[in-house]
Amino acid sequence: AQTVTQSQPEMSVQEAETVTLSCTYDTSESDYYLFWYKQPPSRQMILVIRQEAYKQQNATENRFSVNFQKAAKSFSLKISDSQLGDAAMYFCAHRGSGTYKYIFGTGTRLKVLA
Amino acid sequence: NAGVTQTPKFRVLKTGQSMTLLCAQDMNHEYMYWYRQDPGMGLRLIHYSVGEGTTAKGEVPDGYNVSRLKKQNFLLGLESAAPSQTSVYFCASRVGWFTGNQPQHFGDGTRLSIL
Repeated sequence: AQTVTQSQPEMSVQEAETVTLSCTYDTSESDYYLFWYKQPPSRQMILVIRQEAYKQQNATENRFSVNFQKAAKSFSLKISDSQLGDAAMYFCAHRGSGTYKYIFGTGTRLKVLA
Repeated sequence: NAGVTQTPKFRVLKTGQSMTLLCAQDMNHEYMYWYRQDPGMGLRLIHYSVGEGTTAKGEVPDGYNVSRLKKQNFLLGLESAAPSQTSVYFCASRVGWFTGNQPQHFGDGTRLSIL
């Protein structure tokens, strides 16, 4: 069965510093897609970044980037120049190319300290 | 552009009561999903639909039923609410099959409390 593990229930970072959130997954598929979602206190689920497994280049979106290690089945999220608005729950998600279903991790709560 | 709209946003029920949560999307998406979110457990898939008139069970389907009579709507029903169904419920939608990296678009959630 596919699983997604986020081993850090909570992280803290100083404003303007860099933080990395961990995500590992288990899958038997060779082709799949990975996502990071942000959930602020407003409860909205907002897509942060996505990565296709067949792409070797790590995805970046402004201050957000990933370190995708396919062999290690690792998909960490790096947030640079952290801002107060980055404080939220962050969820890692996986979808195999042959399935409709997304598997979510349990989330990491990020606190940003002023 | 409304995106995914969930109704209601908040509801309190008594054990044994029934209710229906409505999800409506205006993006012409084929796939729709219902999740529940509980502390420390992330999002767990209840049911999903890959098109009008189709539904399928997810990870935690017991105690819930769904219907997708119209492409834009996906209804989640609780026939006899139980305290274990106290949760925040999210609906999501996505475009069709040949768009692999497309993400799900989420509604704002419904907080449901069962007393």
